[in-house]
Amino acid sequence: EAQVTQNPRYLITVTGKKLTVTCSQNMNHEYMSWYRQDPGLGLRQIYYSMNVEVTDKGDVPEGYKVSRKEKRNFPLILESPSPNQTSLYFCASSHTTNEKLFFGSGTQLSVL
Amino acid sequence: SQQGEEDPQALSIQEGENATMNCSYKTSINNLQWYRQNSGRGLVHLILIRSNEREKHSGRLRVTLDTSKKSSSLLITASRAADTASYFCATDPEGNQFYFGTGTSLTVIP
Repeated sequence: EAQVTQNPRYLITVTGKKLTVTCSQNMNHEYMSWYRQDPGLGLRQIYYSMNVEVTDKGDVPEGYKVSRKEKRNFPLILESPSPNQTSLYFCASSHTTNEKLFFGSGTQLSVL
Repeated sequence: SQQGEEDPQALSIQEGENATMNCSYKTSINNLQWYRQNSGRGLVHLILIRSNEREKHSGRLRVTLDTSKKSSSLLITASRAADTASYFCATDPEGNQFYFGTGTSLTVIP
């Protein structure tokens, strides 16, 4: 089954404790991206990747890192999480930006 | 921001009625897409319309695109309670990023 798998689904952590949210797709997509969703603000793009070893900043990259060492995986790293990074995060992928995005189920992150 | 904006923010209708929501954007685009989100879940793609298309249909969905007005509309005909969700438009003005609006929350009352 074609899917984007995100883990974990829920995560509670404390300020400053490094964490990684994993994202994997099984559709051989070149394009992958991360979004955060906050009430009243819609989805905002954090980082995106057009292919392996190619990553670019989105609208809200501060405080986040990503890597794309393999085509299928695109982890989101928070080196030193802060409470303002409490949000619902989504990973998504597509063949190209001219095609539809497939979304993961989301990760609800709470930073205390 | 190049983000699209949906209008209205919230819409409540009776089952069987049609629901129309609009999306406006700021710059020229390659494509415009509509997505649906059920309460906190991942977004699901509904329909993609290219900049050289004016109208597209998919089942009970009808999407129009007016590039001169930089706007799009999504019509859901004969709505059902299961259509209750948030609906988002997404644009790709530069061809390498997607920009989502803040969404329209649709409630269909049985």
